Amino acid sequence: DGGITQSPKYLFRKEGQNVTLSCEQNLNHDAMYWYRQDPGQGLRLIYYSQIVNDFQKGDIAEGYSVSREKKESFPLTVTSAQKNPTAFYLCASSIKDYNEQFFGPGTRLTVL
Amino acid sequence: QKEVEQNSGPLSVPEGAIASLNCTYSDRGSQSFFWYRQYSGKSPELIMFIYSNGDKEDGRFTAQLNKASQYVSLLIRDSQPSDSATYLCAVKVPSGGYNKLIFGAGTRLAVHP
Repeated sequence: DGGITQSPKYLFRKEGQNVTLSCEQNLNHDAMYWYRQDPGQGLRLIYYSQIVNDFQKGDIAEGYSVSREKKESFPLTVTSAQKNPTAFYLCASSIKDYNEQFFGPGTRLTVL
Repeated sequence: QKEVEQNSGPLSVPEGAIASLNCTYSDRGSQSFFWYRQYSGKSPELIMFIYSNGDKEDGRFTAQLNKASQYVSLLIRDSQPSDSATYLCAVKVPSGGYNKLIFGAGTRLAVHP
């Protein structure tokens, strides 16, 4: 089955720790995205990548880092510099950046 | 600041009625428009997209776009309790040589039997 997978589904982090969220797609999509969703708010773009080995900061990139070494994979690291990381993190992909985006199931991150 | 505005709701409609969800956007450079449905605790699911002024129908769903008024809407005919969810409007805008989506905060729809 083609789709987007994210792991883990739930993640708990202690203050001061870096954590990495996984996103994998087998849709052969060029573009991939990371969003953050807080209760009662829309999705906010963290980082996006149009092609392998290239990525751009979104609207709220501070405290986050990404890599795009393979077309299928776009992991997101939440660093200790992110002051309020508790949120629902969503990965998405699209054929090209002008096409519709499809979302993975999400990772819910909680800081203890 | 590029913005997408939606009424947060809840919008309550009886089963079988038409639900009308509305969205306004600020960027006249917006190119395409998307409606996503999000059930509580789940990720957004694409319902429809529309690029041109006018109506686009898909089953019980109709998207309406008026670029002059910077307004996009989603109509759900014969609403069912399973349609109860939050509906997110998203607008694609050019940004630094790329295209990105700007999301509204969503409208919560409640369909009651």
